[in-house]
Formats: sequence, structure tokens, C-alpha cells
Amino acid sequence: AQKITQTQPGMFVQEKEAVTLDCTYDTSDQSYGLFWYKQPSSGEMIFLIYQGSYDEQNATEGRYSLNFQKARKSANLVISASQLGDSAMYFCAMREAVSAAGNKLTFGGGTRVLVKP
Amino acid sequence: DTGVSQNPRHKITKRGQNVTFRCDPISEHNRLYWYRQTLGQGPEFLTYFQNEAQLEKSRLLSDRFSAERPKGSFSTLEIQRTEQGDSAMYLCASSRTGNINQPQHFGDGTRLSIL
Repeated sequence: AQKITQTQPGMFVQEKEAVTLDCTYDTSDQSYGLFWYKQPSSGEMIFLIYQGSYDEQNATEGRYSLNFQKARKSANLVISASQLGDSAMYFCAMREAVSAAGNKLTFGGGTRVLVKP
Repeated sequence: DTGVSQNPRHKITKRGQNVTFRCDPISEHNRLYWYRQTLGQGPEFLTYFQNEAQLEKSRLLSDRFSAERPKGSFSTLEIQRTEQGDSAMYLCASSRTGNINQPQHFGDGTRLSIL
């Protein structure tokens, strides 16, 4: 079974508008962390935002915010006021506390975002 | 932070040849990870080091793959007798030990193409 599911393979968004990227996850752990990364066409993976399973408030980092719904096992990324430089692949990833691999990341398949001027 | 550094950025080689990649993590990070990413997919975990100890290897890491991290600093990933299916982006990441909230910081990757 997929541990991280990103159902939107690609999205268009108008510059200056907000966009929501979906992410659902599957784990039996009580303690886990959810991460979002951005990967531009140049290839580097850029860390954007983190949400812990015990965090009571949704994480925010500049124009990025996380809509965390623990009961539904979803952690959607919201990008506000989209900019042309936001065009990239976005990956949701999970780290499970009981993983033997020093908390390796399990990634979803990604969502490609294209910002239109 | 000077960031995670990976070399080379690109490697093109013929099937059957051996290749070696290098990763220099962020200096104060004692955890180092290797991932593989094929086109259109998310990265998949390969192996993990804490200091010089290799603590976990994925089943994706066949016998042709070997990774080292001598002295707990830089790491190398070697692929012997390369096959077409090895063509991918190989990503290295590093992080501090600590809470689950420690993000992994990635390098720019090494893109391997097998002719």
C-alpha cells in the first residue's frame, strides 16, 4: 500500500493566486513527521515546511502553510500568492518515528505546478 | 551552511562499467542518506549512515551497489557492472541527529545515464 499519495499529477495556477496541493498518508505510528519539498527543473530538493503529528497548530512558513487534518490523514500544502518561480515539482514526504532507518523519508509521487503569468 | 555537495553532476557510461559518486554532507550533520529518483517519481530510500556506520540498506540496493562513509565525513556510492535500469538521479541528503522534526537537506544530485 502507498504510504504517501499525491493524487494531482499536475496543476496550473494563475500568478498571484493560491494553490492547494493534496497529500494523504498511511501510518500506524502515533509519532511521525510530514515534510514538503520543492524540486525545480534543475533537480535540487528544497525543504519547504514541516508538520509534526503532535503539533496542534498548522505549520506556516512564509507563503507556505500546511492544512493538517490528522483524523483524515491528510497534510495539504497551500502556496499563497503564487509566483512564476514556484513552478516546480512538489513532493510530500513522511518520516515515521519507529523506522529503523534513522527516520528515512518516504516520498509521494509528486505534483507538478506550473504558474501562468 | 555550505550545503550538501555531490559530484559529479552528470555521469554517462556504458553498460557494464563501474561508477562511483561522492557526497559531502553539511559539516555538522552526522546522518547521511542516499536516495534514487527515476523520471517522474519521488525519491526512494537506498541507504543510511550515522557517522561511519551504515545502519540500514533498502532492498533496492542490490549486491552491485555499495556505499561507504569512512571517518563519518563524505560518502561514496559505487555501482558495479551498471545496467540500463540503473539510469536515475542519485540524491544524497544529510541531517542532524535529534527529533523527528529535523529536515533532511539534499544535494543537487548525480544524474546517471547508462548507454
